[in-house]
This record gives sequence, C-alpha cells and structure tokens, in this order.
Amino acid sequence: NAGVTQTPKFRVLKTGQSMTLLCAQDMNHEYMYWYRQDPGMGLRLIHYSVGEGTTAKGEVPDGYNVSRLKKQNFLLGLESAAPSQTSVYFCASKAGTLLSTDTQYFGPGTRLTVL
Amino acid sequence: AQSVTQPDIHITVSEGASLELRCNYSYGATPYLFWYVQSPGQGLQLLLKYFSGDTLVQGIKGFEAEFKRSQSSFNLRKPSVHWSDAAEYFCAVGASGGYNKLIFGAGTRLAVHP
Repeated sequence: NAGVTQTPKFRVLKTGQSMTLLCAQDMNHEYMYWYRQDPGMGLRLIHYSVGEGTTAKGEVPDGYNVSRLKKQNFLLGLESAAPSQTSVYFCASKAGTLLSTDTQYFGPGTRLTVL
Repeated sequence: AQSVTQPDIHITVSEGASLELRCNYSYGATPYLFWYVQSPGQGLQLLLKYFSGDTLVQGIKGFEAEFKRSQSSFNLRKPSVHWSDAAEYFCAVGASGGYNKLIFGAGTRLAVHP
C-alpha cells in the first residue's frame, strides 16, 4: 500500500519553463489537495478537488493549474515558472465525506527550485 | 478569519526532558484540531486529532494534546523526549465546508540535545 506518492521528488527549472507535478493515491479517496510549504508560513492550499473531474481554487492559486482526470491522480501544472514558485509542494488526499475530522494523508513532497 | 498561531518558531530540549509545543487557534465554531509532524525530508504524518469528547487526546509516539476552549489552545506534550523526536511540528485546524481544508500554523522546529 503506497498511500500518496509524488513525482518528481526534486526539480530545478528556469524562469518561464513549464512543468507538471504528479500526485497519485491508492486509497480510493475522493478529496485531493495541493499545498505549498514556505519557511515560516506553514502549508498553504493551492488547489483542491472533491472528486474526479472537479477542481477548485484554494488560498494561493495564481500561477498554477490543476487537473483530476482520474480519481487516483491529481496533477499540478506551472505554465510559466517564476522564482516566487520556489517551494516544497505537498499533495494530500482524504476520504470523501463532509467531516472535517477525517485525516488528510500527505505525500513525501516535491522540492522545486526556479532560477 | 480562521487562523492558527504557533508562537515558538524553534525549541531546543535535552533528551529525556519534557516537551510542550504551543498552539492557539481562531475559529468561530467548534474546531477540529490536528497535530502533524514532519521529519527532515519527509512528508507530514498525523500525530493526533481532536474533534469532540475528552479534551485530552492521546496520539502516536507517546504524544498527547489538550484542548482548552477557554484559552483557544491545543498544546502538544510529551513527558520524555527522544532524539528521534527532532522534527518540525505543525498544528492545524480543519475548516468546515465542502472541501474541509486544513489551516496550518507556521510550525515549530524541535531540536533535541543528547
């Protein structure tokens, strides 16, 4: 049981380049989330999805796009990377209920550097 | 607005000493509260959570936390710290609504001296 996996683990981009981060979960969870983690700021929600084919904006969505074509996968795209997007990106998933008590399970993270 | 404050950015304790990490929240309704731990280079792992009932919650790795509504606090404690507890600790509140996002504090980095 792999849980939540993220690809790649590390990436270095030049300003203006594009890339896609892949998140995969094998727990049949409905809800999936993308967060970014910056020093001194904790984790902030970028985008989320409440089911296959749905996406919505979180707190800091600018410069990112997402897609959820398959239930188990949640992709985060950067169309034109900027140095301000240098961060550690975490994906999480949660069972599909309205209960805020359900645990979010996190992936190991992707460290992205934009030069 | 919902928010979580972790007043201590960095804490250092000696191995075997007791530990208390502070967390204060601002939330209008009954909060659902979580503590996560992040070891170096790793993702976040849930230590414990509170949503109702007994205000003293037991978690994994010997951690516990106490919910105090009057103080809007959810402090994490451990009676005797081990060197392997060195990590970053995040307090979070679960927001109500259709997507149940987590609002995180800025984190407290714990160092353990031998």
